[in-house]
Amino acid sequence: DAGVIQSPRHEVTEMGQEVTLRCKPISGHDYLFWYRQTMMRGLELLIYFNNNVPIDDSGMPEDRFSAKMPNASFSTLKIQPSEPRDSAVYFCASKLGVTDTQYFGPGTRLTVL
Amino acid sequence: AQSVTQLGSHVSVSEGALVLLRCNYSSSVPPYLFWYVQYPNQGLQLLLKYTTGATLVKGINGFEAEFKKSETSFHLTKPSAHMSDAAEYFCAVRSGPGNTPLVFGKGTRLSVIA
Repeated sequence: DAGVIQSPRHEVTEMGQEVTLRCKPISGHDYLFWYRQTMMRGLELLIYFNNNVPIDDSGMPEDRFSAKMPNASFSTLKIQPSEPRDSAVYFCASKLGVTDTQYFGPGTRLTVL
Repeated sequence: AQSVTQLGSHVSVSEGALVLLRCNYSSSVPPYLFWYVQYPNQGLQLLLKYTTGATLVKGINGFEAEFKKSETSFHLTKPSAHMSDAAEYFCAVRSGPGNTPLVFGKGTRLSVIA
């Protein structure tokens, strides 16, 4: 199994630009999670989906952030417009509903100048 | 609400010494507890987990953790540190009953000195 795939691995952009992060979960997994990791706040859950439906987006910091899951094998996290404080590592994770173990992707390191 | 506190953001041990990473939790439901490890520039990997049953849980790479309800603790240990154990370690608790997300601690960075 290829594991959770995220792209790009690194993204450098300028303030005000739109950023789209992508995630492909492990095949057959029905839960997908988006996390943000910073030195100050640690690992924060932004949003999670079950069977492509957003279940809880209370962790999404602002309306500038949006996430979609158009099908079981693809999800995006979009920031528009981006700001320097959005600089972080963004992780996607997936799991199979009957289990507790989440599998993490390698992350996308976002730098907003 | 469920929460996790990891004592010590950075722990340094000598190679061959005991590793002890501390985790205390708060949970209003029977806790499911996890330890994850993050190597540099990688995602998190599951080390071990406690759900029910035996309170001493063994994981990968020689790590183990003991669930102590009376102390609300789930400390991670390894008898002898190896250089390859240098990483960031995260304790996590299930956020509620049933199929709910995990709440992670802030993490503890483990350094191993030769």
